[in-house]
Amino acid sequence: DSGVTQTPKHLITATGQRVTLRCSPRSGDLSVYWYQQSLDQGLQFLIQYYNGEERAKGNILERFSAQQFPDLHSELNLSSLELGDSALYFCASSVSGQGGTDTQYFGPGTRLTVL
Amino acid sequence: GQQVMQIPQYQHVQEGEDFTTYCNSSTTLSNIQWYKQRPGGHPVFLIQLVKSGEVKKQKRLTFQFGEAKKNSSLHITATQTTDVGTYFCAGRSNYKLTFGKGTLLTVNP
Repeated sequence: DSGVTQTPKHLITATGQRVTLRCSPRSGDLSVYWYQQSLDQGLQFLIQYYNGEERAKGNILERFSAQQFPDLHSELNLSSLELGDSALYFCASSVSGQGGTDTQYFGPGTRLTVL
Repeated sequence: GQQVMQIPQYQHVQEGEDFTTYCNSSTTLSNIQWYKQRPGGHPVFLIQLVKSGEVKKQKRLTFQFGEAKKNSSLHITATQTTDVGTYFCAGRSNYKLTFGKGTLLTVNP
């Protein structure tokens, strides 16, 4: 158990819908990262938040957005869902996220299926 | 943008054989991390390499960071069935960690 929690575990929805994935970082970690993992694309970095502010952006679509709240939990919002958005979404957290030698601890993931 | 290539994509070995996965970055890295993901699980941090030419060992696992800090390797000696999973390298440049696509290792008992 990494100490990072993600809800829900599974999500099944239809194309065009909007969903919200939730992540609670390890106690004391200030950074939250979101990743998308699909069979053909591997682990794709989406976005990082540090202490409530966006820190780095990866391959995140405009239909996707995220935020980190004052209690440091984070939400990833996916809208206008397409079949290709079906994937495993991981959240990870780290102590600082200020570069350097931060280790990321991954949550169990949310499996999103878009029908 | 930064790219991290990892080979091979798949590797099947007999238990007791050695295994190596290689990672190459298009840019010089500040450090590189290795993760293991068991089937159905999430990536778990194994190790981080920071210095040019660094070599670290964890029991049967040996990790190397190239002199130019653009490539790395993970070698497993005498594989066991518990080694099954996908091994990812992740190269850090600035604040961003870029993952390779991973090497899926299967071990035949």
